Formats: sequence, C-alpha cells, structure tokens
Amino acid sequence: DTGVSQDPRHKITKRGQNVTFRCDPISEHNRLYWYRQTLGQGPEFLTYFQNEAQLEKSRLLSDRFSAERPKGSFSTLEIQRTEQGDSAMYLCASSATGYQPQHFGDGTRLSIL
Amino acid sequence: QQQVKQSPQSLIVQKGGISIINCAYENTAFDYFPWYQQFPGKGPALLIAIRPDVSEKKEGRFTISFNKSAKQFSLHIMDSQPGDSATYFCAPRMDSSYKLIFGSGTRLLVRP
Repeated sequence: DTGVSQDPRHKITKRGQNVTFRCDPISEHNRLYWYRQTLGQGPEFLTYFQNEAQLEKSRLLSDRFSAERPKGSFSTLEIQRTEQGDSAMYLCASSATGYQPQHFGDGTRLSIL
Repeated sequence: QQQVKQSPQSLIVQKGGISIINCAYENTAFDYFPWYQQFPGKGPALLIAIRPDVSEKKEGRFTISFNKSAKQFSLHIMDSQPGDSATYFCAPRMDSSYKLIFGSGTRLLVRP
C-alpha cells in the first residue's frame, strides 16, 4: 500500500527545542497539505503546496513554523523553539490535483515536555 | 469564526440501528462535501463525499443527504456495526485553495 507516509509517528521533545517532521505523499500527487489536530478537535489547515510552490499559509502558522517541498515530492515541517501549545497531531494529506480527494497519513504526534 | 458546525458531539447507537450526524456550514465558497472517519491513532480516511449539484448519494450502508438552500448536509449510517465506532468529521472544501474545513467531530459508539 503506497499511501501517505509520515515520519516519525511520535516525537517527544523539551520546550525550546526544534523539531522536523517528514511527509511522503502518494506518488505523483502534486498537492500536499499540512493540518494540525489537537485532542478532541477536528484538523485545522496549516499550509499547502502545489508541486514545490507553497501557495497558502494559515494564520496558525507562526514564524516559528516553516514548511518546504523542495522537489515537489516529500515535504518537511519544522517547528523552531517549541512551546507547550505546539503539542498536537500533525497530519499530512495529498491529492492528485486540487479537485481530487485528499488522502491523509497517520500523522506525527508531538508531545512537548 | 466557526464556519462548520457539526452535531451531535457524541452518539451511542445499538447494533443494527441508524446513526445520523449533521453538519451546517456558513460559507458558500465550498464546492465539495466529504465525510471522514477517524480511528484512534490513525489519520482521517475519506468515507463518502457529495458535490453540491446532487441532493443524495448512497454507498453501501452510508448515505449523504445535502440541502444546499439550508446549507446543511448529513451522514446516515444504516445497520450500524460495532466496527463503525469511530470519530466522524464533516470537512467541506474551499473552492479556491481546496483546503478542507473540518467540523469538531462526532464520536460514535455502536453497542453490540
């Protein structure tokens, strides 16, 4: 099964540290989305890419957050100087085009000590 | 600004019963209306979706009913099974960026 893959599945870190997550979309999907889900809530949109271009960023994405998709394939999401409020599940989704359904990975759960 | 309101927050149904979850939206810039199913520790999985030019869509035990004028759509699960116990999200899609706007979720428990 070549679904959306996210790594790591779990990340525990101390407040103030930097973390980086990776997302490998379904092959040949040119759209890639990042969402954040806190406990008991629905996912919230963070940002999306069409190929390597980052086309929209949510206001939730403070300047401590940066996302890249350098070759239009995998993407990374980095959080600098982590804070307690960053604890959440970070979900990645991909779609073949904007019009096609989004398929989600199983997320990276971030816990800030 | 809450664009999508989902109800109920939780639902308990007996095996074989009908589960009904509702979603109301405010934004008219949505072009696609999916429901996602999420199990603990997993990402959301697309369950069923409808486009605004259709009022109802059925796939197996799952049916979406869509009321464009009322800005509401609902998910019906017929013959509910314990394996359907999960959290369900409506997630209408913006027609410009194609980003999904998720509801707050409904935790469904189907008792044997």
